[in-house]
Amino acid sequence: DTEVTQTPKHLVMGMTNKKSLKCEQHMGHRAMYWYKQKAKKPPELMFVYSYEKLSINESVPSRFSPECPNSSLLNLHLHALQPEDSALYLCASSQDHRPSAGMFFGSGTQLSVL
Amino acid sequence: AQKVTQAQTEISVVEKEDVTLDCVYETRDTTYYLFWYKQPPSGELVFLIRRNSFDEQNEISGRYSWNFQKSTSSFNFTITASQVVDSAVYFCALSEAGDGGATNKLIFGTGTLLAVQP
Repeated sequence: DTEVTQTPKHLVMGMTNKKSLKCEQHMGHRAMYWYKQKAKKPPELMFVYSYEKLSINESVPSRFSPECPNSSLLNLHLHALQPEDSALYLCASSQDHRPSAGMFFGSGTQLSVL
Repeated sequence: AQKVTQAQTEISVVEKEDVTLDCVYETRDTTYYLFWYKQPPSGELVFLIRRNSFDEQNEISGRYSWNFQKSTSSFNFTITASQVVDSAVYFCALSEAGDGGATNKLIFGTGTLLAVQP
């Protein structure tokens, strides 16, 4: 099983809503990542979890709150988002946090904030 | 500073043509890793290859081949006999080893949109 599964695939939310994005992998990977990708742009790193601990936060606004309940799951909690937060949110995992480890990505959640 | 440049924004070819996607990188690290990913319209980033800075051997996988040249800081990707299913955005990416304690942070190029016409 070499999949990273993200749910939901599409999400539309208002600026006052609270929602969560979910990511799951069963490859035994110990590093997991959230990336944000705007249309026609490359992915940008948001957060890195290594062994279930947050190791990198790329100065992401607090309206995005990550959570890693266990080694297989990664959540991204959303609250009071802005229309400019509309983007494709990609989850990824790798064997560990080392730069040599190849990342495996999910198919993303397409988020629209109204 | 680290940087990945993919100068080709869009490429259009006819099926069965060969096509090369260019990637030029900048880094001060002596140990680093280079990657290529494919992003079809479905959105998923598909891992294609990883190459470390000490291995300049070119690689071939089916219709795909990669040419790594440290002297020109390039890591180019060639698709032979292109097919419609190859249509996608292709990203080149760099990850630096730093001082040994670095965390995996992929630095992506801006991507090349490849359109293969039937």
